[in-house]
Amino acid sequence: QVQLQESGPGLVKPSETLSLTCTVSGDSVSSGLYYWNWIRQPPGKRLEWIGYVYYTGSTNYNPSLKSRVTISIDTSRNQFSLKLRSVTAADTALYYCARDTPGGLTDFWGQGTLVTVSS
Amino acid sequence: EIVLTQSPGTLSLSPGERATLSCRASQSIAGSHLAWYQQKPGQAPRLLIYGASSRATGIPDRFSGSGSGTDFTLTISRLEPEDFAVYYCQQYGSSPLTFGQGTKVEIK
Repeated sequence: QVQLQESGPGLVKPSETLSLTCTVSGDSVSSGLYYWNWIRQPPGKRLEWIGYVYYTGSTNYNPSLKSRVTISIDTSRNQFSLKLRSVTAADTALYYCARDTPGGLTDFWGQGTLVTVSS
Repeated sequence: EIVLTQSPGTLSLSPGERATLSCRASQSIAGSHLAWYQQKPGQAPRLLIYGASSRATGIPDRFSGSGSGTDFTLTISRLEPEDFAVYYCQQYGSSPLTFGQGTKVEIK
């Protein structure tokens, strides 16, 4: 069964770049069968889809974050990554990586990692 | 983007009772691409229902989904102790993917 594990700093300063990596086991990110997503949940708010990357490197982002987000993939390490630039306190959230089927269904999620934006 | 509104916010029920959760969309969801997830504290969301009414692998048949267009329902026929959790709906029919705000099913 596929497993996804997020990793990265739990604390980021305002105006800096948030960087997270998702390590996938039990599946290959280069299989071409799935899309690899980032989703977040600010405290007390609903889940928000950030975007996805395909094994070719093609991406699709939420328009609300598009100007600040880059999602990339490293097939040699079976990982994909998130970079969110110019963060503010509003970017404090539980960040999840997840797998999507070609139809867009999110079928497996990581456990999530809390990122706090604070000086 | 499609806005999903879940109701009620909290459902207080006893084990053995029936739970009915609602998810309403701001516009029709293409292909009934509506999913339901269960989330317990400290755990990843777990896929329960996809395509509005299909159970995911390993999901007990006490969970059922229905609906189309803009109105969808998740029903838990008889609540087991492990079913007390937060439930989210998600539409994946159009980009950006969006989620409801969640319904908490708590023990009465």
